[in-house]
Amino acid sequence: DAGVTQSPTHLIKTRGQQVTLRCSPISGHKSVSWYQQVLGQGPQFIFQYYEKEERGRGNFPDRFSARQFPNYSSELNVNALLLGDSALYLCASSFIRILENSPLHFGNGTRLTVT
Amino acid sequence: DAKTTQPPSMDCAEGRAANLPCNHSTISGNEYVYWYRQIHSQGPQYIIHGLKNNETNEMASLIITEDRKSSTLILPHATLRDTAVYYCIVRILDMRFGAGTRLTVKP
Repeated sequence: DAGVTQSPTHLIKTRGQQVTLRCSPISGHKSVSWYQQVLGQGPQFIFQYYEKEERGRGNFPDRFSARQFPNYSSELNVNALLLGDSALYLCASSFIRILENSPLHFGNGTRLTVT
Repeated sequence: DAKTTQPPSMDCAEGRAANLPCNHSTISGNEYVYWYRQIHSQGPQYIIHGLKNNETNEMASLIITEDRKSSTLILPHATLRDTAVYYCIVRILDMRFGAGTRLTVKP
C-alpha cells in the first residue's frame, strides 16, 4: 500500500511569492495534518483537517492556509513568503476523527527554500 | 497541553538495549503517550503508543509508570539503523513535538 505522498519533494521560491504544497493521504484515511519543521527543531503543528473541514490550527499567521478535497487529499498554501518560511513541510494522515488512539502516518515532506 | 522532557542525546552500543526516558508529569487521564522517530531527511516514523498499560510491538516496548508521569521506550537490540531523533509526545488531539532525544547507536 502506498504511504502518504507529498509533492513536490523540493521547491525554491523567492521572497514575496506564493507556494502550494500537495498531499495525498493513505487510502482510507480521512484526516490530514500539516507540520512545519525548521532545521534542528521538531515538527510544529500547522493545521488539521477532517472531512474537508479545519479541525485544528497551530500558531501560524494567516499567510498559511489549507484545504481538503472530497478525495481527502490536501493542499497547503503559503502567501507572501518570508525567508523564515524555509523549512521541511510534512503532511500526515490518520484513519479516524478521534485521533487520540490513532497514529499519524507521515510523508517525507516537501523541502521549501525561500531566497 | 501536557509537556514532555527528554534528554537531548544518548548513546547506545550496537546489540544492546536502548532505553529512552520521557517525563510527562502534567499528563491528564485521557492523554496518550506516543513515540516517533525521525531519521535524517525523512518524515517521522510511528513507533508505538499507549495510555496506561505497557505496550509491545515488533519495533519496541513502551513502559508507562503507574502514575503515568513518565515512560520509557525500549529498543531491545539496537542496530546502527536505529540512530535517529526519538520524540515522546503526549497527545489529546493534534500532535505537538518537542526537541526529542538524538540516539546514536555505536558499533
